[in-house]
Amino acid sequence: NAGVTQTPKFRVLKTGQSMTLLCAQDMNHEYMYWYRQDPGMGLRLIHYSVGEGTTAKGEVPDGYNVSRLKKQNFLLGLESAAPSQTSVYFCASKAGLAGGLYNEQFFGPGTRLTVL
Amino acid sequence: AQSVAQPEDQVNVAEGNPLTVKCTYSVSGNPYLFWYVQYPNRGLQFLLKYITGDNLVKGSYGFEAEFNKSQTSFHLKKPSALVSDSALYFCATPTDSWGKFQFGAGTQVVVTP
Repeated sequence: NAGVTQTPKFRVLKTGQSMTLLCAQDMNHEYMYWYRQDPGMGLRLIHYSVGEGTTAKGEVPDGYNVSRLKKQNFLLGLESAAPSQTSVYFCASKAGLAGGLYNEQFFGPGTRLTVL
Repeated sequence: AQSVAQPEDQVNVAEGNPLTVKCTYSVSGNPYLFWYVQYPNRGLQFLLKYITGDNLVKGSYGFEAEFNKSQTSFHLKKPSALVSDSALYFCATPTDSWGKFQFGAGTQVVVTP
């Protein structure tokens, strides 16, 4: 199993450009999450999904959109990138149905995004 | 609200010495507590979790954690630190039934030879 994969690994954007980050998991997990990690800020939840076709806002959703058309994929979109969105983005997934509250999250390797 | 706190930004330890990374929690109901490690330029990796039962939980890479209900703590420990244990460590707790996690701010562990 590949676990959780993220593409791309690195990206540089100019202000105003758009892009989509792709997260894929092969563990048949119901729940998926997008986080951003910034120095001194820890991990902050952007959006999450509890199943195919469902999404919900996390702690810092502004400027981002998400879609979960297939159970194994969770896409994070930036419609008009801003320098404040320079960050490292992590995707995670978790089994949800059995013991959902106390299952661990599995993380991808991250995408390092710079917005100039 | 469910939350965890890591009181130390950084822990320095010499190789071979015991390592402790502190975490305290504030949880209503039964606490579910997790530890993760993040090596440089990598994603978070699960180390161990406390759900119920024994207060001493054993995990990956020789780590263990001690759950202490009276002190509301869940400290991560390793009897003999290695240079390769140098990393960022996070404790976490779920905040709702959808399994969203609240992570601590992280503790940077530096193990010197």
